[in-house]
Amino acid sequence: LAKTTQPISMDSYEGQEVNITCSHNNIATNDYITWYQQFPSQGPRFIIQGYKTKVTNEVASLFIPADRKSSTLSLPRVSLSDTAVYYCLVGDPYNAGNMLTFGGGTRLMVKP
Amino acid sequence: DGGITQSPKYLFRKEGQNVTLSCEQNLNHDAMYWYRQDPGQGLRLIYYSQIVNDFQKGDIAEGYSVSREKKESFPLTVTSAQKNPTAFYLCASSPTAAGGYEQYFGPGTRLTVT
Repeated sequence: LAKTTQPISMDSYEGQEVNITCSHNNIATNDYITWYQQFPSQGPRFIIQGYKTKVTNEVASLFIPADRKSSTLSLPRVSLSDTAVYYCLVGDPYNAGNMLTFGGGTRLMVKP
Repeated sequence: DGGITQSPKYLFRKEGQNVTLSCEQNLNHDAMYWYRQDPGQGLRLIYYSQIVNDFQKGDIAEGYSVSREKKESFPLTVTSAQKNPTAFYLCASSPTAAGGYEQYFGPGTRLTVT
């Protein structure tokens, strides 16, 4: 399974754009990159998923370079409610039994 | 409303007692999962089930047991053999048990054993 490395914590201010980078040097050809968000005492929530280049939805953008050895989650104009832990995972959606591993994640603190 | 329910939200038990945590989903998902989360840590996989009447151990299955008699239900029993059972337990489901599929999580059960 591809191992991921992400910063333990980040601080930002309201209204700023936040970029969280995740390294996954041994990502496999069939792996997708998925990001989850977790608020305290709640289950994680899916944010975005991508395979290559750029994916954007109403919540975030995901940038994946051509070599796919890293990815960057971009949160535009964060607010206090974006304070949460963000997890980066890689996995093959077509390989049953290939379980995802949630690492420690990145704790984002948004300040007023 | 479709989703995953876990009950109860808080559970207190005495050391040496077995306790069963409930997880129900009405999403018609084949796969279900149990995770454990300790304070300030990520999620660790306890057990998962790809289909009814089948389940596999995750990374930290010792001291836990599960059953999957119905598609909708995947209860977790924390046995007295689990050395440090106090934790936040999360149940999830996905259409199939493949690593790239979105997992839908329940609200969690916080278990305290004294």
